Amino acid sequence: GIQVEQSPPDLILQEGANSTLRCNFSDSVNNLQWFHQNPWGQLINLFYIPSGTKQNGRLSATTVATERYSLLYISSSQTTDSGVYFCAVVPIKAAGNKLTFGGGTRVLVKP
Amino acid sequence: DTEVTQTPKHLVMGMTNKKSLKCEQHMGHRAMYWYKQKAKKPPELMFVYSYEKLSINESVPSRFSPECPNSSLLNLHLHALQPEDSALYLCASSHPRETSTDTQYFGPGTRLTVL
Repeated sequence: GIQVEQSPPDLILQEGANSTLRCNFSDSVNNLQWFHQNPWGQLINLFYIPSGTKQNGRLSATTVATERYSLLYISSSQTTDSGVYFCAVVPIKAAGNKLTFGGGTRVLVKP
Repeated sequence: DTEVTQTPKHLVMGMTNKKSLKCEQHMGHRAMYWYKQKAKKPPELMFVYSYEKLSINESVPSRFSPECPNSSLLNLHLHALQPEDSALYLCASSHPRETSTDTQYFGPGTRLTVL
């Protein structure tokens, strides 16, 4: 099956810092989502971005489908940005909407 | 409104108990999903329902029994679970059906502990 690798696995930031999270995937996809999982376990949709660039406030994401990677940018980080960030994909060859998740990047933003 | 609700939030059960998890959405989505997430791991797909019919079962043990009584509701019936089944169970839905380009929206999860 498709492999999804996220880096770095852990990230510690000072409040106000910027950061970039990366997601590499091993096959062509037609669905890529970024999620933030808060400390209570809720998975919050950040972006649906199988290709191109999107921005939402302090967050933005870019997916280069031809090179099989996606980047999530966090600017001016806040303590509420702490949690785990997951990238999840559906390969083009898949039957149905089976999301495969990467291992996640655990982010801690210190005040 | 992109809300998926799940009840209960927490559940503790013994290995001989029978319990059910409930998931509800009122977004008109016709695909609904169950995921299992162990501590410090990513979610893993268990089941997919499309138009109230089971379309994907990821070789889940029969002690987990899904049910989709109508287009808004998804249940997961639990029986004779093992301690290793303790996990966060997440429900998701997508619109309008189970196609690979649809965004999935997740509920807050049920944290299950099996004693």
